[in-house]
Amino acid sequence: DSGVTQTPKHLITATGQRVTLRCSPRSGDLSVYWYQQSLDQGLQFLIQYYNGEERAKGNILERFSAQQFPDLHSELNLSSLELGDSALYFCASSLGPIVGTEAFFGQGTRLTVV
Amino acid sequence: AQKVTQAQTEISVVEKEDVTLDCVYETRDTTYYLFWYKQPPSGELVFLIRRNSFDEQNEISGRYSWNFQKSTSSFNFTITASQVVDSAVYFCALSAPAMVNTGFQKLVFGTGTRLLVSP
Repeated sequence: DSGVTQTPKHLITATGQRVTLRCSPRSGDLSVYWYQQSLDQGLQFLIQYYNGEERAKGNILERFSAQQFPDLHSELNLSSLELGDSALYFCASSLGPIVGTEAFFGQGTRLTVV
Repeated sequence: AQKVTQAQTEISVVEKEDVTLDCVYETRDTTYYLFWYKQPPSGELVFLIRRNSFDEQNEISGRYSWNFQKSTSSFNFTITASQVVDSAVYFCALSAPAMVNTGFQKLVFGTGTRLLVSP
């Protein structure tokens, strides 16, 4: 158990809908990262938050947004969903702002858009 | 740009065989970190090891060992006496700047190597 908790584990929704994925980092970790794993793109970095503030963005679509709350949990919001958004979404956390510290991943949320 | 190449898409071995998973990376950074993660069929990503660019000592942890060679930009992973429970997809990853001049970094992953260990 990595100590990173993601909910829900599975999500099935229709095209055009909006969903929210939730992540609770390991106790004490201030940095949260979101990654998308799809068959065609592999594991891609989406966005990073550190102590409540957005710090870095990767290949995140404009339809996607995220935030980190004062209690350090994070949510990833996906809207106007398309079939191609079906993927495994991972949250990771680390103590410091750089990933050179060990980054631990949650179990992922498997999103299926039908 | 940073890149990680795992040329082996899938490897099949019989239990008790030794197996080496290759990882070649590209980076212009002088300080960087390399990682290996395991993704079993259940789907989670399990952290195995982190190595910084200044530490070229090989590491052994039980049946697992890692060979880091800066001269060839490789960070290979060997499983000795493989077991069925080792069946998984293994990812090599490299730290890279998430945004220029911020100090914040992301992980760049290879495409993974699927290891199948049969009894």
